Amino acid sequence: DTAVSQTPKYLVTQMGNDKSIKCEQNLGHDTMYWYKQDSKKFLKIMFSYNNKELIINETVPNRFSPKSPDKAHLNLHINSLELGDSAVYFCASSQEVLGTGELFFGEGSRLTVL
Amino acid sequence: GENVEQHPSTLSVQEGDSAVIKCTYSDSASNYFPWYKQELGKRPQLIIDIRSNVGEKKDQRIAVTLNKTAKHFSLHITETQPEDSAVYFCAASLNNDMRFGAGTRLTVKP
Repeated sequence: DTAVSQTPKYLVTQMGNDKSIKCEQNLGHDTMYWYKQDSKKFLKIMFSYNNKELIINETVPNRFSPKSPDKAHLNLHINSLELGDSAVYFCASSQEVLGTGELFFGEGSRLTVL
Repeated sequence: GENVEQHPSTLSVQEGDSAVIKCTYSDSASNYFPWYKQELGKRPQLIIDIRSNVGEKKDQRIAVTLNKTAKHFSLHITETQPEDSAVYFCAASLNNDMRFGAGTRLTVKP
């Protein structure tokens, strides 16, 4: 019954590998996001999609590629993982376009790159 | 783009005391200011929010004030309890872009 669910919850991998994190929301929201939370707890927006269309694309390396097959799903693929990619990645959704409605976060996916 | 500053980075209070966290933002056009609480190992969750046409909002022990002229807003927690211990984030949004402050780690000592 989870509103925003993301998998996997934990991911440990070697440098250079490619990995994906999946996110799904059952709230009927139009907008979904990916945030990165580093070891200092800073929450930084990476991407946002509204009805499958990319609306925010922050200064993120090209190795990060979001994909939204429909408005209930937003997946994140990361190529050629680096040590600095280690963080907790949060998926979120909101009913209104970002900036005017509450963000509902998933539980987070802790990525550790060795 | 919008820049949100949050202070203090850590705050320790005795149970029953009040806690105040302050944020400033850079763009006067920002119109939505939420506060999120993140407990250890958990997701951030909204605790209170305020829109730019309101100066103050209160929900039980939590209140938020907004000063648009000075471009700052504050979170006030009264009668703090140990379960209030968490990291608190302020945020400001402008043109579909929500930016978070760096967070305040609040510790309430019993």
